[in-house]
Amino acid sequence: GENVEQHPSTLSVQEGDSAVIKCTYSDSASNYFPWYKQELGKRPQLIIDIRSNVGEKKDQRIAVTLNKTAKHFSLHITETQPEDSAVYFCAASIAGNQFYFGTGTSLTVIP
Amino acid sequence: GAVVSQHPSWVICKSGTSVKIECRSLDFQATTMFWYRQFPKQSLMLMATSNEGSKATYEQGVEKDKFLINHASLTLSTLTVTSAHPEDSSFYICSCSLGRPSYNEQFFGPGTRLTVL
Repeated sequence: GENVEQHPSTLSVQEGDSAVIKCTYSDSASNYFPWYKQELGKRPQLIIDIRSNVGEKKDQRIAVTLNKTAKHFSLHITETQPEDSAVYFCAASIAGNQFYFGTGTSLTVIP
Repeated sequence: GAVVSQHPSWVICKSGTSVKIECRSLDFQATTMFWYRQFPKQSLMLMATSNEGSKATYEQGVEKDKFLINHASLTLSTLTVTSAHPEDSSFYICSCSLGRPSYNEQFFGPGTRLTVL
């Protein structure tokens, strides 16, 4: 089955700096890659996603890049704010099927 | 956006008892529902995939006789933890999907915190 690795496990940045989280996946058939933000005790919230026919997607301060050949994708958050502090998970799936999540990155934005 | 509810939001039970968790899609029909388990400071681990009207598909290592899943309608799936033990204490989250290859997004429920004493 699919195996998703995520790095780093913890990340601290100063407010206003950028944060980058990287994930790799193993199944070349995976074609959908969402990113979730989860606050303590709450459900994961989708923040951005990308499909395999696209190399990059941006939504305001958040962007995701995908390298299908290398089987890795990354989340980029610019101009970080304290409210960005949370745990972020990447996931990989084959269209419409189950998600396989990365191990998570705990992001702390220091004011 | 699509709304998914779970009930109860938290439950405390004695070891050996069974607990049922409900997952409902409130404003859409979910052909596929997924059940995840999340231990503290860990990732979401997929337990099983259920399609309406058919038996659930369990991930390797998940005991199907212990975690009973019923997906009787397009809006309701239930997870029953049978003979619960303290090691089953976890955060259980369901998600719902339209199940179409062209539509990938899953909608997550708020989760159920299970504590087994």
